[in-house]
Amino acid sequence: DAKTTQPTSMDCAEGRAANLPCNHSTISGNEYVYWYRQIHSQGPQYIIHGLKNNETNEMASLIITEDRKSSTLILPHATLRDTAVYYCIAQTYKYIFGTGTRLKVLA
Amino acid sequence: DVKVTQSSRYLVKRTGEKVFLECVQDMDHENMFWYRQDPGLGLRLIYFSYDVKMKEKGDIPEGYSVSREKKERFSLILESASTNQTSMYLCASSLESQVGTDTQYFGPGTRLTVL
Repeated sequence: DAKTTQPTSMDCAEGRAANLPCNHSTISGNEYVYWYRQIHSQGPQYIIHGLKNNETNEMASLIITEDRKSSTLILPHATLRDTAVYYCIAQTYKYIFGTGTRLKVLA
Repeated sequence: DVKVTQSSRYLVKRTGEKVFLECVQDMDHENMFWYRQDPGLGLRLIYFSYDVKMKEKGDIPEGYSVSREKKERFSLILESASTNQTSMYLCASSLESQVGTDTQYFGPGTRLTVL
């Protein structure tokens, strides 16, 4: 099971892109990269996942490096409501949540 | 949309009481999970179930048991609640265990306080 490393905290100005990095250098070939976020006192919310190719949905984009050892979650136009803890998981079936990145979007 | 509901948002119990936390999902998911979340420790897996009546221990099963009599419902049981079980409890479900279809969807959480 791959271990992930994320910065403890980040700030981003409202309206700007928020780029959240994640290191998963021990990821194995069949492990997907998942991103979740947790807004204070709520359950984690699924954002996006990918295996090799970059992915985009209505919430975010996921960029995975060619060697799959790291990825970046991009929130293209961050709003105050995006303030949350963001978790990167490289796992199959059984997740291991680290302590994530606390993103603060500033007005 | 997947909906995972938990029986209570907030619960206060006394030491030694038997506590039931209920979780229901409405998407016919195979797998269900119970986590607890504590400050500085992130989410830790207590138990999970990949089928009715099947269960597997997670990373911190001590002091807990689970029950899955119906596919949509997964219960976490604290046989004799203790103060160190004061925590946020989160339930999740996922469609299958196959890679790419194991996205977990979480409920809103139950904040349990044991006095």
